[in-house]
Amino acid sequence: NAGVTQTPKFQVLKTGQSMTLQCAQDMNHEYMSWYRQDPGMGLRLIHYSVGAGITDQGEVPNGYNVSRSTTEDFPLRLLSAAPSQTSVYFCASSLLGVPGTTEAFFGQGTRLTVV
Amino acid sequence: TQLLEQSPQFLSIQEGENLTVYCNSSSVFSSLQWYRQEPGEGPVLLVTVVTGGEVKKLKRLTFQFGDARKDSSLHITAAQPGDTGLYLCAGESGNKLVFGAGTILRVKS
Repeated sequence: NAGVTQTPKFQVLKTGQSMTLQCAQDMNHEYMSWYRQDPGMGLRLIHYSVGAGITDQGEVPNGYNVSRSTTEDFPLRLLSAAPSQTSVYFCASSLLGVPGTTEAFFGQGTRLTVV
Repeated sequence: TQLLEQSPQFLSIQEGENLTVYCNSSSVFSSLQWYRQEPGEGPVLLVTVVTGGEVKKLKRLTFQFGDARKDSSLHITAAQPGDTGLYLCAGESGNKLVFGAGTILRVKS
């Protein structure tokens, strides 16, 4: 059982380049989300999706795009990378349901450096 | 914006000591979750507390949800080196999880 799979694990980009971080889950979860983790700031929500074809912005959406064409996949696109986007990115998935049942399952993360 | 404040930010203790980590907010959450994260890995859920005043025990870990469902605490008894890691609290609001900044725990043998 793979759970949540993120690729790549590491990436170095030059300022202005674009790239897509991949995220796939095999648990048939409706809810998927992207977070960035920076020292001393915890996990901040970038974008999330409650199902195929439905996405919404989180706390820090600027500079990122998402789409959800299937239940399994939720890619995150950096349109024009900036040094401020250097961070560790986590994808998570969970079931939608009654409060207290939404355990988030996380991928192993993508460490992105923008130079 | 809903905020969760965790304290302390960093804790370094000797094996066998007890410790408490706090998670406070001015907002009410439908549930409070605690995660543990090891270097190079994603967070993993430890426990979810849902009812105000609820106390849950997981071996040497005791989790408490405040009566008003705005705060929570994690108490570890007789800490061991294997408890070392980043502990994150997360408040559930609607379909979103709001995370605290985390507490880095280091247990020395």
